[in-house]
Amino acid sequence: DAGVIQSPRHEVTEMGQEVTLRCKPISGHDYLFWYRQTMMRGLELLIYFNNNVPIDDSGMPEDRFSAKMPNASFSTLKIQPSEPRDSAVYFCASRTSGAQSEQFFGPGTRLTVL
Amino acid sequence: GENVEQHPSTLSVQEGDSAVIKCTYSDSASNYFPWYKQELGKGPQLIIDIRSNVGEKKDQRIAVTLNKTAKHFSLHITETQPEDSAVYFCAASFGGGGFKTIFGAGTRLFVKA
Repeated sequence: DAGVIQSPRHEVTEMGQEVTLRCKPISGHDYLFWYRQTMMRGLELLIYFNNNVPIDDSGMPEDRFSAKMPNASFSTLKIQPSEPRDSAVYFCASRTSGAQSEQFFGPGTRLTVL
Repeated sequence: GENVEQHPSTLSVQEGDSAVIKCTYSDSASNYFPWYKQELGKGPQLIIDIRSNVGEKKDQRIAVTLNKTAKHFSLHITETQPEDSAVYFCAASFGGGGFKTIFGAGTRLFVKA
C-alpha cells in the first residue's frame, strides 16, 4: 500500500482565495482524521470521520473551514476564504477500527496564505 | 477537556547518552498511549505504544513506561544516535469518546555527534 496520500504537497495562495486539500486514506481504514500543525499550537485535530460520516468537528476553527468524505477513498478539507493565519501544515491520517489501533499519517500539505 | 502535557519542549543530548521525555494526561479513561516521531518535512510516524494494562514496554533502544495512578507516561531512548534527532509526540487515546487522540506539544530532540 502507498500509505496515506495527500495533495498538493505545497500550496501558496493569496488571502481570500479558496483552498482545497485532498486526502486518500489507506485502503480498508474506516477512520480518517484531519490535523493542523503550527509552531504556536502544535498538532491540532480538526475533524474526523468514521465510515465517511463526520463524527467530531469541534476542532474546526470557524465556518470558513469545511470537510467532506464522499466515499471511503477520498476526503477534502476546504478553506473559503483563506486568511494568512491559516498558514500551517495540514495532515491527513487514517486508521482501522478500535481505540488502540495505529494512526498512519500522510506527508502533509504545507499551506501558505499571503 | 482532555489534555496531554509534554516536557521538555527541547532536549539536547550527546550521542550515546539517554533521553527521557515525560507526559501527563488528564482523562483517567484513556487506555492507549502512542508515541510518534516526526522528521523534518514528514508526517508523524508511530514508534512505540503502550496500553493501559501494561506498565512497561521495550523495543530495542526505546522503552515506554506508564503509571496510570499518577497519569504519567514516559519515553526512554538509550544509546542515542544522530538519526534519533527529530520531534517526538506523546498522545493519549480516549476510547470512550469514539477514538479521539490528543497529542502533546512535542519535544525537539537534538543528538550531538
